[in-house]
Amino acid sequence: DTGVSQDPRHKITKRGQNVTFRCDPISEHNRLYWYRQTLGQGPEFLTYFQNEAQLEKSRLLSDRFSAERPKGSFSTLEIQRTEQGDSAMYLCASSLGDIYNEQFFGPGTRLTVL
Amino acid sequence: GESVGLHLPTLSVQEGDNSIINCAYSNSASDYFIWYKQESGKGPQFIIDIRSNMDKRQGQRVTVLLNKTVKHLSLQIAATQPGDSAVYFCAEEGDFGNEKLTFGTGTRLTIIP
Repeated sequence: DTGVSQDPRHKITKRGQNVTFRCDPISEHNRLYWYRQTLGQGPEFLTYFQNEAQLEKSRLLSDRFSAERPKGSFSTLEIQRTEQGDSAMYLCASSLGDIYNEQFFGPGTRLTVL
Repeated sequence: GESVGLHLPTLSVQEGDNSIINCAYSNSASDYFIWYKQESGKGPQFIIDIRSNMDKRQGQRVTVLLNKTVKHLSLQIAATQPGDSAVYFCAEEGDFGNEKLTFGTGTRLTIIP
């Protein structure tokens, strides 16, 4: 257990529905990252926050995706109008925010879109 | 675009033997590299890291080697144990550090009892 938690661990939804995932980072960590991982592949970067500010978004993050970290603590990732191609593991990671600090990953949320 | 890749998708090693997992990277500006271990159904777990100003770093039973000339990383695991069976990823950070990680595809390591 790295101290990063994610909820839910599994989500099954029908195409077209909206889903929201939550990530609770390690409490003193300033930076929070979201990644997506499909079967047999390495995680791919989606977006990251420094405290409550969203500093970078990948082009993978279409306009159906939105992430927030309103108080600089937990973060949510929402996917609107889900598509079957959104099926993946969504991973959250956090770090202290200093240079050369490792990112600690949560267990992930497995999304299946039917 | 820049990417991190791995030479072999699978590796089987006899328990107790040493294993070597290789990784090639293409972004010469990357200055921080990390090896992660991922077990089924879990998130990646940090193993060891290395900065670009080093060519070797050792941990407990693990050693990472960095060859910047040919842009190559390797992870050596000594005296492998059944618990070492997992997928191993190398990842790189950009030249400003502590930003997004770029992961390779991964190598599945299987320890044969």
